[in-house]
Amino acid sequence: GAGVSQSPSNKVTEKGKDVELRCDPISGHTALYWYRQSLGQGLEFLIYFQGNSAPDKSGLPSDRFSAERTGGSVSTLTIQRTQQEDSAVYLCASSLRFSSDTQYFGPGTRLTVL
Amino acid sequence: QKEVEQNSGPLSVPEGAIASLNCTYSDRGSQSFFWYRQYSGKSPELIMFIYSNGDKEDGRFTAQLNKASQYVSLLIRDSQPSDSATYLCAVPGGNTPLVFGKGTRLSVIA
Repeated sequence: GAGVSQSPSNKVTEKGKDVELRCDPISGHTALYWYRQSLGQGLEFLIYFQGNSAPDKSGLPSDRFSAERTGGSVSTLTIQRTQQEDSAVYLCASSLRFSSDTQYFGPGTRLTVL
Repeated sequence: QKEVEQNSGPLSVPEGAIASLNCTYSDRGSQSFFWYRQYSGKSPELIMFIYSNGDKEDGRFTAQLNKASQYVSLLIRDSQPSDSATYLCAVPGGNTPLVFGKGTRLSVIA
């Protein structure tokens, strides 16, 4: 694909359920990033991957959040026991290399927790 | 903690005017700077990046960088209603990913 893809585009779930969000980066991009954006707010950085490794997980809001990346490509962000405050748009971005390279964003997954 | 500051706006300009968006950053060592545009309900898209002091022009957009004063600005000439969006400034954090400002909301009035 030409760009970053994310699935699902929309997810409605009930409080307490687990959800899994998927990101497929641009082919060849080694770095991958997850952000969260609540309505009308700025980007909240969650976690990044350099290859399959996530050196710093301190941006994850709580231990209910986890992420993994396999094969240096697809990444999944998992939220366990979802809460209403988890409702937001979850954005994934990728870049050719880490740090100062341009990040290209996917369309996002809108998560609504009822 | 590296910081990127932007006026949240909204910044309202009439159609055809020049819109000026500003961003200041805390890390003197920052080498590259990015401007993203985000339409309501959409994801951010890159408009421009700039590495060197001075101006960089791309169509109606001009990025201006002043490393000594630690600010970067984005000028939009001949503003159009379709330019109405939130503009995000981003600065690399060295060993951390891009640090994004909270964005300035621009409204171009026809």
